[in-house]
Amino acid sequence: EAQVTQNPRYLITVTGKKLTVTCSQNMNHEYMSWYRQDPGLGLRQIYYSMNVEVTDKGDVPEGYKVSRKEKRNFPLILESPSPNQTSLYFCASSLSHPWSDSGELFFGEGSRLTVL
Amino acid sequence: AQKVTQAQTEISVVEKEDVTLDCVYETRDTTYYLFWYKQPPSGELVFLIRRNSFDEQNEISGRYSWNFQKSTSSFNFTITASQVVDSAVYFCALSEAPTNDYKLSFGAGTTVTVRA
Repeated sequence: EAQVTQNPRYLITVTGKKLTVTCSQNMNHEYMSWYRQDPGLGLRQIYYSMNVEVTDKGDVPEGYKVSRKEKRNFPLILESPSPNQTSLYFCASSLSHPWSDSGELFFGEGSRLTVL
Repeated sequence: AQKVTQAQTEISVVEKEDVTLDCVYETRDTTYYLFWYKQPPSGELVFLIRRNSFDEQNEISGRYSWNFQKSTSSFNFTITASQVVDSAVYFCALSEAPTNDYKLSFGAGTTVTVRA
């Protein structure tokens, strides 16, 4: 089954404790992206990647890191989480960038992160 | 500044009523893409439509229709004869020219509640 898988789905952590949210897709997609969803703000793009070893900042990259060493994986790293990073995080992928003929984004189920 | 504005935070209708969701966007580019996504109560995000800036034809897909008007920078979404299953948060999104690195900006979302 074609899907985008995020782990963990739920996480409660404490300020400063490094964590990684994994994202994996099995559709051989080139484009991958991370968003955070906060009430009243919709989804805001954190980082995106056009292909392996190519990553770019979205609108809210501060406090986050990403890597794209393999096509299927795009982990989101919070080196030193803070309470303002408490949010619902979505990973998404598409065959190519949003402008291509196949620009439909496929989203993971979301990861709810709480930083105390 | 918010590039995509969804002024309606919540809309509540009775089943079989029509409901229109407003989306106003802001861009200086002449070439851009607009999207609508649906987020049902289960939380996943589902792609509904993508429209490029050169195609102002209205689109209809079953009970869903979209009205794109460049003159007013709007891309409104109408659900005809609403059903309970249409209850969800709906997001409008904008992707500007490649010079903006394929970023995708979402509006804050409109929560639609359809009552039986």
